[in-house]
Amino acid sequence: AQKITQTQPGMFVQEKEAVTLDCTYDTSDPSYGLFWYKQPSSGEMIFLIYQGSYDQQNATEGRYSLNFQKARKSANLVISASQLGDSAMYFCAMRMNRDDKIIFGKGTRLHILP
Amino acid sequence: DAGVTQSPTHLIKTRGQQVTLRCSPKSGHDTVSWYQQALGQGPQFIFQYYEEEERQRGNFPDRFSGHQFPNYSSELNVNALLLGDSALYLCASSYAETQYFGPGTRLLVL
Repeated sequence: AQKITQTQPGMFVQEKEAVTLDCTYDTSDPSYGLFWYKQPSSGEMIFLIYQGSYDQQNATEGRYSLNFQKARKSANLVISASQLGDSAMYFCAMRMNRDDKIIFGKGTRLHILP
Repeated sequence: DAGVTQSPTHLIKTRGQQVTLRCSPKSGHDTVSWYQQALGQGPQFIFQYYEEEERQRGNFPDRFSGHQFPNYSSELNVNALLLGDSALYLCASSYAETQYFGPGTRLLVL
């Protein structure tokens, strides 16, 4: 069965520092996609970054990068130069390309300290 | 370009009642998925609609049903509400691999 594991329930990071949010996944499918979403207290799930299982390079989107280590089944999110507005819940998620549903991890609550 | 919209934003119902939640997808998106997010948890997949048909379903009882209209908008219906149905209900639309979410509907069942 497919599964996403986020082992950090909460993190506190000083503003302007880089932060890494951990995510490991489990699947036997060869073709899948990995996502990170940000959920502020308002509740909306904001798409941050996507990595396909066949992509050779790690995905980057502005201050966000995804450290994809396929052999270790790891897809960590790196946020560079953290800002106060980055304080939110962060979810790692996976989609098998044979179907379209997304499986989410339990999330990591990130607190950025001034 | 409007993103995914959902209505209503909040809803309070009592046990046994029925509820209908609505979702309008992002422009150009033809697929709508619904998720339930209980407090402190990640979203759980309910079902997905494409071309007005339910294409996939998660592990939810038949009390949860849906519909997709020709303009790709969608409804989620929940019958015989239980206290445990209290959650944030998220709609997501997609055209390719990425699903974009709406702001959600917070349902409280008393």
